[in-house]
Amino acid sequence: QQQVKQSPQSLIVQKGGISIINCAYENTAFDYFPWYQQFPGKGPALLIAIRPDVSEKKEGRFTISFNKSAKQFSLHIMDSQPGDSATYFCAASKGSARQLTFGSGTQLTVLP
Amino acid sequence: ETGVTQSPTHLIKTRGQQVTLRCSSQSGHNTVSWYQQALGQGPQFIFQYYREEENGRGNFPPRFSGLQFPNYSSELNVNALELDDSALYLCASSLSQNNEQFFGPGTRLTVL
Repeated sequence: QQQVKQSPQSLIVQKGGISIINCAYENTAFDYFPWYQQFPGKGPALLIAIRPDVSEKKEGRFTISFNKSAKQFSLHIMDSQPGDSATYFCAASKGSARQLTFGSGTQLTVLP
Repeated sequence: ETGVTQSPTHLIKTRGQQVTLRCSSQSGHNTVSWYQQALGQGPQFIFQYYREEENGRGNFPPRFSGLQFPNYSSELNVNALELDDSALYLCASSLSQNNEQFFGPGTRLTVL
């Protein structure tokens, strides 16, 4: 059972543009929603995370928007750069150190 | 501060063999989780260890087993390897039960 659905599967953005990746979850017990960035041959690296008591969190060029009633959350990358080209995964868990359920990933390509 | 390390980097085995993968958690981290990432997919939770005890298990058969040692390093053992076990195996550690998980670079296992 896929509990976290992620879209789009791939995304191509021009340098300086906004990249938007969306996720939807089913389990209302989830209370921690991180986004990970993964480069080829590397492990996932935590980018930013949010808990359901806030609707938005911003760190630098990265923003998470969270809609608890719709059970959806999204990652916005402002001023996208070629160095942002990577695979992005949303995830969810009951507690930050607990079992993470990952989305299927979005391969982002930022064109120079 | 040393991050999460995993060994070996790559491994090739044949069907039916057994394999042991190793993970050294980040300094001071007492919780270790293992994930399997098939090509083109998001990581899937295998199990978690907290202070040397199994603390949660995903939908993996008993031939996937693990250990955590007093220094909080960990092993993942897989018996009777199958072709579908070919994947990147990721280890993640966290400072406690309520802190974010940091991933290692993974071990790429190929089963022929």
